[in-house]
Amino acid sequence: SQTIHQWPATLVQPVGSPLSLECTVEGTSNPNLYWYRQAAGRGLQLLFYSVGIGQISSEVPQNLSASRPQDRQFILSSKKLLLSDSGFYLCAWSVRGKGQGVPEAFFGQGTRLTVV
Amino acid sequence: AQSVTQPDIHITVSEGASLELRCNYSYGATPYLFWYVQSPGQGLQLLLKYFSGDTLVQGIKGFEAEFKRSQSSFNLRKPSVHWSDAAEYFCAVGTYSGNTPLVFGKGTRLSVIA
Repeated sequence: SQTIHQWPATLVQPVGSPLSLECTVEGTSNPNLYWYRQAAGRGLQLLFYSVGIGQISSEVPQNLSASRPQDRQFILSSKKLLLSDSGFYLCAWSVRGKGQGVPEAFFGQGTRLTVV
Repeated sequence: AQSVTQPDIHITVSEGASLELRCNYSYGATPYLFWYVQSPGQGLQLLLKYFSGDTLVQGIKGFEAEFKRSQSSFNLRKPSVHWSDAAEYFCAVGTYSGNTPLVFGKGTRLSVIA
């Protein structure tokens, strides 16, 4: 069966420090991968998605970047964190679409990031 | 582009009472619709999905949802709420291509009182 791992679960970082959040998927190949951020009362904001290695689409211009160095690995990074980067970050994956409908997204357990 | 509206930010129901969470979507073609649930500090779990066919779909944990094309709605229902149902609920819409990310509503927080 497929599983998604996201770490760390919680993180407290000072303003101006770098960030690296990692997400890996097991039990599938060629997944679509996503990073979402959730702020209180603002729902889920799509940050990045990837349909293949090295293919990253950015939905919101900001202080963050994403990379996909391997098929089932998705990394969210920042060179210098801002206070506004605090939030709950969720990684998700879905089966690569083959024109047979919309595959649902499967989510990791999330990372609570607090920038102080 | 597709969009989702969940009109209710917060709903409180008594344990044992019925529940209906509203979801309205905007999409020019046939929508693909989902309901997810999120417990505090956790990821999202899929409750149910609608692709085609029967407009009343059954999900996990006793939830069901009804697709109404004429009203552009996909409301989530449960006949009798349990205290463990307290959580955040998200409606989402997707497109046929399968490689476009789901678009989520802002969520409805459900509180359950004794």
